[in-house]
Amino acid sequence: AQSVSQHNHHVILSEAASLELGCNYSYGGTVNLFWYVQYPGQHLQLLLKYFSGDPLVKGIKGFEAEFIKSKFSFNLRKPSVQWSDTAEYFCAVNRVIKFYFGSGTKLNVKP
Amino acid sequence: GAGVSQSPRYKVAKRGQDVALRCDPISGHVSLFWYQQALGQGPEFLTYFQNEAQLDKSGLPSDRFFAERPEGSVSTLKIQRTQQEDSAVYLCASSLVAGQDYGYTFGSGTRLTVV
Repeated sequence: AQSVSQHNHHVILSEAASLELGCNYSYGGTVNLFWYVQYPGQHLQLLLKYFSGDPLVKGIKGFEAEFIKSKFSFNLRKPSVQWSDTAEYFCAVNRVIKFYFGSGTKLNVKP
Repeated sequence: GAGVSQSPRYKVAKRGQDVALRCDPISGHVSLFWYQQALGQGPEFLTYFQNEAQLDKSGLPSDRFFAERPEGSVSTLKIQRTQQEDSAVYLCASSLVAGQDYGYTFGSGTRLTVV
């Protein structure tokens, strides 16, 4: 079945540690890829998106993601996390109109 | 308004009760989407409107679920005879124009608990 997979359900890091969250998708053809963040009690917010071109995408708040077509992956990275990055992160594929989301990764950054 | 507004934020319903969830999209946004987010899962597509036309309702889990957007702005998601498996956060999103090149804005959701 077509899906979006996030490998880590819960990640705990100390401040200043580096972050990498995995995302794999199984949709064929052209896909547009997104990472959304949901801070506690808030709505989903767009971190970054990839449509085409440079496979290394930079987003807000120092986040970046790399699209590797051969691996069907779109991993999210940040060199040095902060306590304020504590949130849930969702990888998503957009095909035509609909979003297909992964199950999310909860990131807990310890001060 | 500045964002997508959903009401109520929380709803507790007794099993078998009907509920109505409201979404106020960003003014002028043509496209409106409903998603269901079960506990521990990512949001899943329910239905999509372009103006008042419901163009895709393939994600509605049963005929107990019904959505409308009669004037092309506010939308209501209605669930009849609620069941425990309907417990979830229901998210609304709107976009100026349908298509992946345009930004989608999500609301904060309505958390429905069926007891």
